[in-house]
Amino acid sequence: SQTIHQWPATLVQPVGSPLSLECTVEGTSNPNLYWYRQAAGRGLQLLFYSVGIGQISSEVPQNLSASRPQDRQFILSSKKLLLSDSGFYLCAWSVGRLLHEQFFGPGTRLTVL
Amino acid sequence: GESVGLHLPTLSVQEGDNSIINCAYSNSASDYFIWYKQESGKGPQFIIDIRSNMDKRQGQRVTVLLNKTVKHLSLQIAATQPGDSAVYFCAETSPLISNFGNEKLTFGTGTRLTIIP
Repeated sequence: SQTIHQWPATLVQPVGSPLSLECTVEGTSNPNLYWYRQAAGRGLQLLFYSVGIGQISSEVPQNLSASRPQDRQFILSSKKLLLSDSGFYLCAWSVGRLLHEQFFGPGTRLTVL
Repeated sequence: GESVGLHLPTLSVQEGDNSIINCAYSNSASDYFIWYKQESGKGPQFIIDIRSNMDKRQGQRVTVLLNKTVKHLSLQIAATQPGDSAVYFCAETSPLISNFGNEKLTFGTGTRLTIIP
C-alpha cells in the first residue's frame, strides 16, 4: 500500500533562518507531488506541483522553493524565512490523470518567530 | 476568477442525525468536485468525488449532490458518529497557472462539523 511521510512534524524557526521540509512517498512510482500551505482556519493553497524528477512548477509567488531530487522525494525550502511563512505545510501525491484524488501526508506545523 | 466557498463555517449535529454541508463554486468548467475530511492536526483525507456530468453520487454513509444550475455542492453524512467530527473541505479542479499538467485543486475554506453525543 502507498504511504506518505513528512518530517519534521513541528518546527519553530527564527525569522531569517533557512528551511527544509521533506516528503517521501512509498508504494507508488512516478507520482504527481504537491506542496500546500494551510493558514490557521483556512483552506489549502497549492504552492508547488511536480510531475517528475526536476520538474517543479510554482503556483504562487513566494519566499519558498521546491525540489524533487528523486522520484518519490519532494523537498520544500527557503533561504530566509519570513513571519508570513508560518503555517501548516502539507505534501500530497496523486497518480496518472487522477489528479483530483490526492492523498495527503500528516503535515508539518511551522512557526516562524 | 475561480473561488470555492462554504455557506456555514461551523455546524453542530446530534449523534445519529444526518448532516448536510454545503459549498458554492464559481468555476463552471471544473471537471471534478471533491470532498475532503480533515481531523485536527492531520492532513486532509479524500472522502468522495463527483464528476461534473453527474448530479449525485453515493458512498458509504455519504452522498454528494451537485447542482450545476446554481453552482452548488453538498455533502450529506447519514447517521453521524463522533468520528465524523472534523473540518470538511470542498474542492474543485481548476487550470494550473504553470505549464506542467492541466489542472489543480482549489479548496474552499472549510466547515467545522461537531457531533454532539
